[in-house]
Amino acid sequence: GENVEQHPSTLSVQEGDSAVIKCTYSDSASNYFPWYKQELGKGPQLIIDIRSNVGEKKDQRIAVTLNKTAKHFSLHITETQPEDSAVYFCAARMDTGNQFYFGTGTSLTVIP
Amino acid sequence: KAGVTQTPRYLIKTRGQQVTLSCSPISGHRSVSWYQQTPGQGLQFLFEYFSETQRNKGNFPGRFSGRQFSNSRSEMNVSTLELGDSALYLCASSPLPGNTEAFFGQGTRLTVV
Repeated sequence: GENVEQHPSTLSVQEGDSAVIKCTYSDSASNYFPWYKQELGKGPQLIIDIRSNVGEKKDQRIAVTLNKTAKHFSLHITETQPEDSAVYFCAARMDTGNQFYFGTGTSLTVIP
Repeated sequence: KAGVTQTPRYLIKTRGQQVTLSCSPISGHRSVSWYQQTPGQGLQFLFEYFSETQRNKGNFPGRFSGRQFSNSRSEMNVSTLELGDSALYLCASSPLPGNTEAFFGQGTRLTVV
């Protein structure tokens, strides 16, 4: 099956700085890569996603890049704010099923 | 539009008991998936339902089961509870199976004592 690795497991940044979280996947059949933000006591919230036919996608302060050859994708958050503090999960899914394979999560802390 | 609704939010059960969790997907969404989230194992896929049929099942024992109703609402059941079943159980809603976004509910926090 698919194996998704996520780094780093924890990340602290100063408010206003950028944060980058990286994920790798193992199965070239994966073609959909969402990112979820999970705050304490809540379910994961979809914040951005990218499909395998696209190399980069941006939504205001958040961007995701995908390198299919290297099988890795990254989340970039610019101008971080304290409310960005949460656990972020990457995931991968193949076209043949609806099952997500999740990374182990990155706990992001934005220091005011 | 209402989001994914999971009930109850919290449950405390005793070892050996059984439990039923409920998930109402976003209106119009017909695919429902269930995940177990624990600190040690992270997010793990349990099963997926579409049109009242289980399409896919994760690597969990037969004590974990589910079903989907004609209105797309889904339930999952865990029988003979073990301490290790303590987890956050999350339901994800998608318009269709396959290449579409998935939206999660708040989850049901199950504690087995």
